[in-house]
Amino acid sequence: AQSVTQPDIHITVSEGASLELRCNYSYGATPYLFWYVQSPGQGLQLLLKYFSGDTLVQGIKGFEAEFKRSQSSFNLRKPSVHWSDAAEYFCASGGTSYGKLTFGQGTILTVHP
Amino acid sequence: EPEVTQTPSHQVTQMGQEVILRCVPISNHLYFYWYRQILGQKVEFLVSFYNNEISEKSEIFDDQFSVERPDGSNFTLKIRSTKLEDSAMYFCASLGTQIYEQYFGPGTRLTVT
Repeated sequence: AQSVTQPDIHITVSEGASLELRCNYSYGATPYLFWYVQSPGQGLQLLLKYFSGDTLVQGIKGFEAEFKRSQSSFNLRKPSVHWSDAAEYFCASGGTSYGKLTFGQGTILTVHP
Repeated sequence: EPEVTQTPSHQVTQMGQEVILRCVPISNHLYFYWYRQILGQKVEFLVSFYNNEISEKSEIFDDQFSVERPDGSNFTLKIRSTKLEDSAMYFCASLGTQIYEQYFGPGTRLTVT
C-alpha cells in the first residue's frame, strides 16, 4: 500500500528565508506525486505535480520540487518565503494520473516578519 | 477560473441522523472524489466515481455511505446514520482528462453531536 510521510508537523521561517518541506513516499513503482496548499477556510490548491520526465518541477507561487527516486523523496522548496505563504502544505501520491490520492499528514508553515 | 463548490460549509447533526453533503464539480470533469479529514489527522480517500459508478472505495466507505450524481451537475455523499466518529471535514474533488489534476472544493465541516 502507498504511504506518504511528512516528517515535519510545523515549520517556522522568517520572511525572505529559503524553505524546504520534506516528503517521503512508499510505493513500488514510480508514483504520481503532488504538493497541495491549504489556507484557512480554503480548499486544497495544487502547487505542482510530478508524473515523469524532468525530476525538477516548477509550480505556482514560485515553488519547485525535486523527485529523487534513490531517496523516495519529493521535497518542496522556495528560495524566498513571503508572509502570504503561511498555510498548511500537503504532499500526496497516486498510483495513476486519475486515481485516489494518498496524503501525508501535512506541514504547517508559519512565516515570521 | 472554474472551481469546485460544496454546500453547506458547516453541518451539525445528531447521531443517527442522515446527512447529505453536496458538491458541484467543474462542469467538464469526468472523475469525482470524496475525501475526509478528521481533525488533526491526514486527508483520507473515501471514494471515486466515474461513468456513473463507483470506481474505487476505501475501507472507510462502508454501507453507511453512498454517492450519487443525480442530475449531471451535482455529486452527493450521503451518510445514512451518522456516528460521532464521522465528524470531519469532507472534501469533494473532480478531475478532467485535459489536465490530470484533482481540483478540490473548500470542504464541508460535519459535526455529529
